[in-house]
Amino acid sequence: AQTVTQSQPEMSVQEAETVTLSCTYDTSESDYYLFWYKQPPSRQMILVIRQEAYKQQNATENRFSVNFQKAAKSFSLKISDSQLGDAAMYFCAYRSYSGSARQLTFGSGTQLTVLP
Amino acid sequence: NAGVTQTPKFRILKIGQSMTLQCTQDMNHNYMYWYRQDPGMGLKLIYYSVGAGITDKGEVPNGYNVSRSTTEDFPLRLELAAPSQTSVYFCASSKQGRNTEAFFGQGTRLTVV
Repeated sequence: AQTVTQSQPEMSVQEAETVTLSCTYDTSESDYYLFWYKQPPSRQMILVIRQEAYKQQNATENRFSVNFQKAAKSFSLKISDSQLGDAAMYFCAYRSYSGSARQLTFGSGTQLTVLP
Repeated sequence: NAGVTQTPKFRILKIGQSMTLQCTQDMNHNYMYWYRQDPGMGLKLIYYSVGAGITDKGEVPNGYNVSRSTTEDFPLRLELAAPSQTSVYFCASSKQGRNTEAFFGQGTRLTVV
C-alpha cells in the first residue's frame, strides 16, 4: 500500500515571500499521479497542482510550482509571492496509475499561515 | 453546473442513531468516493464505486454501508452511530480514465454525542 507523509504540521510565511511545503511518499509503482490540494476554512477541497510521475518536468500553475524528485520519492510545493488568500490546510495526495478505484491517498496536511 | 452536492452540511447524532449522508453529482462521472477527515488528519477512504451497482470497501469501512443504484447518487449509511464516527465526511467523483481530476463536495460535519 502507498503512504504519503507530510512532516510539517504547521508553516508560516510573510506575505509576498516564498514558502515550500514538503511531502514524501512510499510506493513500489513506477507510474502514478501526485497532487496538492488546498483546504481553506470553508472545507472545500481545491486542486492546486498535479504531477504525472512519468513527466520529468516539474508542474507549475501561476505562483505554485512543485519540485518532483522521483528517485527520492519527494514532492514539495513552492508558493511564490504568498498572499493572504493562500492561508489554508494543504494536502499532498497520491493516486495510482493502475487499479480499478483511482482513489487518492492523502498525507496528514500542513496548516499554512500567511502573516501580513 | 452544481458538481458534487452533499447534504446535510452539519448534523448531530446521538449514539445508536442512524442516518444517511446524501451525495449526488451531475457530471456523469463513473467513479464516486466517500472519505472521512478526522481532526488534524488527511482524508481516509471509506467506500468507493466504479459505476452503478458496483461498490467496494476502502481503508476504513467498518460501521458504514453504501449503495449505488444510479450514476448520480452515492449515499453513505451509518447504522449505529458511535462517537468514533465524529468526523467530516467528503464525497468525491471523477471520470473514468487515467488523467482525471477528483471533484469534491463541501463536506458534512457529523458529531456523535
